[in-house]
Amino acid sequence: DQQVKQNSPSLSVQEGRISILNCDYTNSMFDYFLWYKKYPAEGPTFLISISSIKDKNEDGRFTVFLNKSAKHLSLHIVPSQPGDSAVYFCAASSRTSGTYKYIFGTGTRLKVLA
Amino acid sequence: DGGITQSPKYLFRKEGQNVTLSCEQNLNHDAMYWYRQDPGQGLRLIYYSQIVNDFQKGDIAEGYSVSREKKESFPLTVTSAQKNPTAFYLCASRLSGTDTQYFGPGTRLTVL
Repeated sequence: DQQVKQNSPSLSVQEGRISILNCDYTNSMFDYFLWYKKYPAEGPTFLISISSIKDKNEDGRFTVFLNKSAKHLSLHIVPSQPGDSAVYFCAASSRTSGTYKYIFGTGTRLKVLA
Repeated sequence: DGGITQSPKYLFRKEGQNVTLSCEQNLNHDAMYWYRQDPGQGLRLIYYSQIVNDFQKGDIAEGYSVSREKKESFPLTVTSAQKNPTAFYLCASRLSGTDTQYFGPGTRLTVL
């Protein structure tokens, strides 16, 4: 049972336009969400996170939106750059459980076209 | 330079042999994690450890074993009981009280 889903395996966007990556979750106990970026043959690197007490968090070109009622979050990248081409994973955890265990989605491969 | 290292980058083993993957960090992080990545799948948690001398099974622990004798080190042994060991293995560490994980570069294990 996939508790964190990224239904789009890939996405292509023109340089300078907005990239929107989506993530859905099923476990209502999840209260903290993170996005990681991964290049081939490397480990993921942290990008941005959001707590369930917020509905938006912004860091430069990256913004994460959380819709708790829909159990949905999205990562917006504006403007998209060729260096953003990578696989993006969303991850979720339940801070209240105290386990610090993270469930990852299957990833979305973003290709930014120059 | 602080960081998390995994060695080797590529590892080949014959079927039926146990193999140990190394993970070392000098970030002074308490928590460490092992994940497995297969094509088209996300990162799946194998084992994790919140403190030295303690570890918990993740979602796919069968056929794997770990130890956490030192804060800096969290080796993963892939045993012959693991049915599909060929995969990309990622180790991560996390500072207590935070949620951000820092990942190593990964080890690609191929069992022939």
